[in-house]
Amino acid sequence: GDSVTQMEGPVTLSEEAFLTINCTYTATGYPSLFWYVQYPGEGLQLLLKATKADDKGSNKGFEATYRKETTSFHLEKGSVQVSDSAVYFCALRPNRGGADGLTFGKGTHLIIQP
Amino acid sequence: EAQVTQNPRYLITVTGKKLTVTCSQNMNHEYMSWYRQDPGLGLRQIYYSMNVEVTDKGDVPEGYKVSRKEKRNFPLILESPSPNQTSLYFCASSFLGQGNNQPQHFGDGTRLSIL
Repeated sequence: GDSVTQMEGPVTLSEEAFLTINCTYTATGYPSLFWYVQYPGEGLQLLLKATKADDKGSNKGFEATYRKETTSFHLEKGSVQVSDSAVYFCALRPNRGGADGLTFGKGTHLIIQP
Repeated sequence: EAQVTQNPRYLITVTGKKLTVTCSQNMNHEYMSWYRQDPGLGLRQIYYSMNVEVTDKGDVPEGYKVSRKEKRNFPLILESPSPNQTSLYFCASSFLGQGNNQPQHFGDGTRLSIL
């Protein structure tokens, strides 16, 4: 079946450091890929998405590129802030006609220290 | 404001006492679903609905029921809750158009504790 693998952390960085959170997936066909962020005590918010190979999603300084050849969708940010501390989920949605929900990775807890 | 609203946000109850968690969305989305989030397991889909009166099982449906009598509402029903259903639950919704590139919008979560 479909699956998503991401580093679980916690990942601890200093403010202004460069961030990479790795995400790889297994799925048939061409799924849509998403990054969601969960701040403490809140629900999941869509951070960015990409729907086909080589698409780059971007939002709030975060970027991720849909790499079909490596089945990856790594999240990057050039300079993190304390306010970026949260749990980040990589997810895919299969392209099989609309019935499928999201398949999530286990989440990466990111801690940014001042 | 576009949103998915879940109630209650927190609930502590006892084994076997039926409970319902409500979910309502105001975005006219066709697709709604329920997930549970557990430490070390991420989020897993319980049930989903593609439209009114159309529901189907997700990955972990055992012990749960749902109904979709109106487009905006998708309640999750635990007929006889057990301790292994202690979890954080999220309702989500999305449009169905344009294949599966529609992101799901999530509620703020319901934390259930079954004693």
